[in-house]
Amino acid sequence: EDKVVQSPLSLVVHEGDTVTLNCSYEVTNFRSLLWYKQEKKAPTFLFMLTSSGIEKKSGRLSSILDKKELSSILNITATQTGDSAIYLCAVNTGANSKLTFGKGITLSVRP
Amino acid sequence: NAGVTQTPKFQVLKTGQSMTLQCAQDMNHEYMSWYRQDPGMGLRLIHYSVGAGITDQGEVPNGYNVSRSTTEDFPLRLLSAAPSQTSVYFCASSSPGSTTYEQYFGPGTRLTVT
Repeated sequence: EDKVVQSPLSLVVHEGDTVTLNCSYEVTNFRSLLWYKQEKKAPTFLFMLTSSGIEKKSGRLSSILDKKELSSILNITATQTGDSAIYLCAVNTGANSKLTFGKGITLSVRP
Repeated sequence: NAGVTQTPKFQVLKTGQSMTLQCAQDMNHEYMSWYRQDPGMGLRLIHYSVGAGITDQGEVPNGYNVSRSTTEDFPLRLLSAAPSQTSVYFCASSSPGSTTYEQYFGPGTRLTVT
């Protein structure tokens, strides 16, 4: 059974801090790993990482895939209150778009 | 494009009632899926479809039926609602030909079963 584990499950930081969110996976046929952000509504896409694209960056957010350790991290620098959300990690393992999600990490950024 | 739309946004059912959650997309995506989200549980796949006429079970299919008669629509039926089905339901779609496998989510339906 494919499994995606995220840690920590929740954390609280102050504005300006840097945070690292972790995602590890055990799957039979890895194709890609995706990060989503969810703020009280539907998840929105952040990044996709594959064997050929193991590092992505957008503004204060960056993500790295470690295929050897079967894991990924999502870094957020200079956090803002608007970064407060649930961050979801998902792995695509099939020829179609089927995704297996982790339980999510709830990030709270205090002013 | 409207993207992925879901109706209703909120619904309250009594135990034993049946209902259909509607999902439609106008992006001509082949892949569509239904998830439920419970606190601390992430998104769990209920059913998915890789094209019209083709559906398959996900991680938590019991108590739910789906059909896919057109590319655009993918309704989710609750046959006999139970309190354990109280949850937020998301429909999503994507194109397997996409380079990102990104799934586009609808706004969600919050269902309460009493």
